[in-house]
Amino acid sequence: EADIYQTPRYLVIGTGKKITLECSQTMGHDKMYWYQQDPGMELHLIHYSYGVNSTEKGDLSSESTVSRIRTEHFPLTLESARPSHTSQYLCASSEGSGSREQYFGPGTRLTVT
Amino acid sequence: KNQVEQSPQSLIILEGKNCTLQCNYTVSPFSNLRWYKQDTGRGPVSLTIMTFSENTKSNGRYTATLDADTKQSSLHITASQLSDSASYICVVSDRGSTLGRLYFGRGTQLTVWP
Repeated sequence: EADIYQTPRYLVIGTGKKITLECSQTMGHDKMYWYQQDPGMELHLIHYSYGVNSTEKGDLSSESTVSRIRTEHFPLTLESARPSHTSQYLCASSEGSGSREQYFGPGTRLTVT
Repeated sequence: KNQVEQSPQSLIILEGKNCTLQCNYTVSPFSNLRWYKQDTGRGPVSLTIMTFSENTKSNGRYTATLDADTKQSSLHITASQLSDSASYICVVSDRGSTLGRLYFGRGTQLTVWP
């Protein structure tokens, strides 16, 4: 079982609130990723990081931001949540270069009312 | 355009029966193909990984096949169990970037009934 954790697992919050989704891994992986997944749909990459102080936007445009101050920690922040942000957010990590296996966290189910 | 298509979208089978899930892809240049199992409300977990030169790979009751010429893969589940109920996602990786870009299918939702 992969050692990658996400908190909270479920979050219901009102419009306009600032939220931070936490992701941490204890495998020492350099690469980390954030995906967004709606029910019955494929995962979409919204952010990734090659390592500390490296962050890049993914294929799907997102109003969220990320930071990578420590290898093991890759939080995602929404400054002002909106109902359109309601989705499942999955964090993943991988080691090395190229197409190594990505290990996924359990996800955060976000609902913005 | 790099795409991964899976069929069927959903499938219901009785416990103990076998089933086969399909995956077609157009990803190029191809690096590898993985099948993931995603339980409801959880993150995906890798079942198998196949590279260009591999035709078949097994993991317990799961057997994946790959035809790199026709760009098709299948996942065969033998003697299904209730715990096999999940979404099965085909994921193809390209070797054209340092990141190891992943392309995800929408998954096949498998339900196993007692």
